[in-house]
Amino acid sequence: DIQMTQSPSTLSASVGDRVTITCRASQNINTWLAWYQQKPGKAPKLLIFKASSLQSGVPSRFSGSGSGTEFTLTISSLQPDDFAVYYCQQYESYSTWTFGQGTKVEIK
Amino acid sequence: QLQLQESGPGLVKPSETLSLTCTVSGDSISRSSYHWGWIRQSPGKGLEWIGTIYRDGTTQYNPSLKSRITLSVDTSKNQFSLKLSSATAADTAVFYCARHSGGYFDSWGQGSLVTVSS
Repeated sequence: DIQMTQSPSTLSASVGDRVTITCRASQNINTWLAWYQQKPGKAPKLLIFKASSLQSGVPSRFSGSGSGTEFTLTISSLQPDDFAVYYCQQYESYSTWTFGQGTKVEIK
Repeated sequence: QLQLQESGPGLVKPSETLSLTCTVSGDSISRSSYHWGWIRQSPGKGLEWIGTIYRDGTTQYNPSLKSRITLSVDTSKNQFSLKLSSATAADTAVFYCARHSGGYFDSWGQGSLVTVSS
């Protein structure tokens, strides 16, 4: 199975900060990577697919980059609504889909 | 607008079968080019893909759960279902159904908490 590792596990930031979350795959997944945002008690919400494609309706302050084994999710200017847990998910392996362990973005 | 809604018992006894159904509105499972999946989240933990079913009934299961999972689809009701046998306390989780779009999950249900306890 392809393992996904996110860092950091928790990130403390202030409104207006630029925030970067990293996701590493245990093997080459090209750009077959998605990012999700999850708020407490809610279902995850798709933010980005194919490493850098923004899902419809997602604010442009969210961006994704990377290919191969290393990927980043960047929030250009953190807003109050962005405090949440973020997950990456690989879909290179078209028979087993795996998520990272999550990164919690909390208020500093 | 696509909506998915999980339903099923919130409490299951150990060794029994956990059963959930996802009702889809705003899209037709039988005509859709999408697939349909289940993901679970144990309390305070991350996300685990359980399995995916295609409109023709073809299934893919997480290898770690494969021996205990059965997915099925009822196109007449626009529903798909999950059965997880021999449930244990470790299966206590929030279960989500989702539309599986080319590998990622683009729409999710609100989630259904299932507790395995006697």
